[in-house]
Amino acid sequence: AQSVTQLGSHVSVSEGALVLLRCNYSSSVPPYLFWYVQYPNQGLQLLLKYTTGATLVKGINGFEAEFKKSETSFHLTKPSAHMSDAAEYFCAVTPYGANSKLTFGKGITLSVRP
Amino acid sequence: NAGVTQTPKFQVLKTGQSMTLQCAQDMNHNSMYWYRQDPGMGLRLIYYSASEGTTDKGEVPNGYNVSRLNKREFSLRLESAAPSQTSVYFCASSEQGGRAHEQYFGPGTRLTVT
Repeated sequence: AQSVTQLGSHVSVSEGALVLLRCNYSSSVPPYLFWYVQYPNQGLQLLLKYTTGATLVKGINGFEAEFKKSETSFHLTKPSAHMSDAAEYFCAVTPYGANSKLTFGKGITLSVRP
Repeated sequence: NAGVTQTPKFQVLKTGQSMTLQCAQDMNHNSMYWYRQDPGMGLRLIYYSASEGTTDKGEVPNGYNVSRLNKREFSLRLESAAPSQTSVYFCASSEQGGRAHEQYFGPGTRLTVT
């Protein structure tokens, strides 16, 4: 079985500051990892995903995440926050090689201060 | 190309009433999913359909039924609504269950049961 831990429910940063949203996973087999973003009153949209290969993954809107197997982590970063980044962010995992379902973390709300 | 569409967008039910949430995708995806989203709980899988003609229970199936009508459509039915089913419901689809194929989400149905 797999699980995802997103510590904290809310992160607040100033516009232009570094964004760091943490995600740790548990999986008995190598995982595929995803970050999704949800803007207010909308569905979820894929930001980026890790499957195999390069451990640093770049996504849309300047976000990137690094898969660290030794730390079982997949933290999401963006060098400079923009007001439009305010949203809820979800990390999700599915085991490699199986016709499996995504397991989502509880989500983190990102606020951006002017 | 509309992606994943859901109807209705909003619904208010009285306890004991029944209703069906509709979902359709035009991406020729094999797999479809129903989730519910509650504050602080992330997304929890209710039911999924790995391919046309198959359905399976997810994490929170009690009180719900599903029908995979054809490859495009996947409906969720509440036979006797309860206040605990007040939630936002999302439908999603993917080329193939889990794996490296991201899920595409609909805009959601906000359901209130009084």
